[in-house]
Amino acid sequence: ILNVEQSPQSLHVQEGDSTNFTCSFPSSNFYALHWYRWETAKSPEALFVMTLNGDEKKKGRISATLNTKEGYSYLYIKGSQPEDSATYLCAFRNSGNTPLVFGKGTRLSVIA
Amino acid sequence: NAGVTQTPKFQVLKTGQSMTLQCAQDMNHNSMYWYRQDPGMGLRLIYYSASEGTTDKGEVPNGYNVSRLNKREFSLRLESAAPSQTSVYFCASGLRGYNEQFFGPGTRLTVL
Repeated sequence: ILNVEQSPQSLHVQEGDSTNFTCSFPSSNFYALHWYRWETAKSPEALFVMTLNGDEKKKGRISATLNTKEGYSYLYIKGSQPEDSATYLCAFRNSGNTPLVFGKGTRLSVIA
Repeated sequence: NAGVTQTPKFQVLKTGQSMTLQCAQDMNHNSMYWYRQDPGMGLRLIYYSASEGTTDKGEVPNGYNVSRLNKREFSLRLESAAPSQTSVYFCASGLRGYNEQFFGPGTRLTVL
């Protein structure tokens, strides 16, 4: 069973703070790493799909980096806002035909 | 485009009762998935279907059966519900390869 770990489990930050979380995954047989944003009472929505070592992706104030050789990805949020409060999931895939394996998520609360 | 739809949204069952959760997608995706979400456990894969006519077990398949009725529809059946199956169930679909998954709105199931 593939192991995808996320840390921290939860995080409380003040509005305007920048923050980051970590996703660790197996460094062998890498195919893709996904990040999803999951708001309470809604469904997960894709943020990024990352496929190459060294990839950096950005969407507004949120960005992500990927290191496939050491098996980790960072998600950064710059200037956190209350609407950023959500659970952030990462998911790993070791081939194009296999299902995603999800981490347990990092729950972010941004306090106004 | 409705995306991924699930019915019902809520259901309460008694132990031993059976029911089928329905999922449909209109995005012409090959692959469909059923997950359950429990507190502190993230998303765990129950079953998936890589293409029409095929189904495979995920991480937690015991107590469930699935049917890939056609390319659009993927149902999840609980033959004899147990309190341990109280959870929120999400259906998802996607294309193979680097593509993201799209999630339905979820079904909140309580087994008494």
